[in-house]
Amino acid sequence: GDSVTQMEGPVTLSEEAFLTINCTYTATGYPSLFWYVQYPGEGLQLLLKATKADDKGSNKGFEATYRKETTSFHLEKGSVQVSDSAVYFCALSGPLHGQNFVFGPGTRLSVLP
Amino acid sequence: SAVISQKPSRDICQRGTSLTIQCQVDSQVTMMFWYRQQPGQSLTLIATANQGSEATYESGFVIDKFPISRPNLTFSTLTVSNMSPEDSSIYLCSVEAGTNTGELFFGEGSRLTVL
Repeated sequence: GDSVTQMEGPVTLSEEAFLTINCTYTATGYPSLFWYVQYPGEGLQLLLKATKADDKGSNKGFEATYRKETTSFHLEKGSVQVSDSAVYFCALSGPLHGQNFVFGPGTRLSVLP
Repeated sequence: SAVISQKPSRDICQRGTSLTIQCQVDSQVTMMFWYRQQPGQSLTLIATANQGSEATYESGFVIDKFPISRPNLTFSTLTVSNMSPEDSSIYLCSVEAGTNTGELFFGEGSRLTVL
């Protein structure tokens, strides 16, 4: 079945450091790829997405590029802030309406001032 | 976008009791999804709830343990029955944004602690 693998956390960075959270996937067909973020005490919210190969999703300074050849969707940010401290989930969904979403295990990021 | 409200936001329950979680969406949606997020872990889909039909459960989840209602296009409930400490989790309601967008909106979750 489909699966998503993320780098293990927790990740601790200083403010303004560069962030990369690796994500790779296994799926049949051509899934859509997502990064969701969960801030402390809140539900998940969509951070960015890409629906086809070579698409780049971006939001709030975060970017991720859909790489079909390496089945990856790594999350990057050039300069993290304390407010970026959260748990980040990589996810995929199939191309069909309502097809099951598969979430990665999540990576906890802590940004220190 | 969709605004999803869940109740209760958190509760502490005794072993052997049951608790019903409510999920209200501010727009009509075809499918609603119930997820479980165990402590320190990722999300696992429990079931998909369609209005007017029985919920579809994922492997490892059964209706007797997690009965679901879907009386209309904006509301659903999930009951966690005969709870044990292993049921201590965050339970999340979600809906898909639009049609075939592949994007989910989530409620804030219901954090259950079973003693």
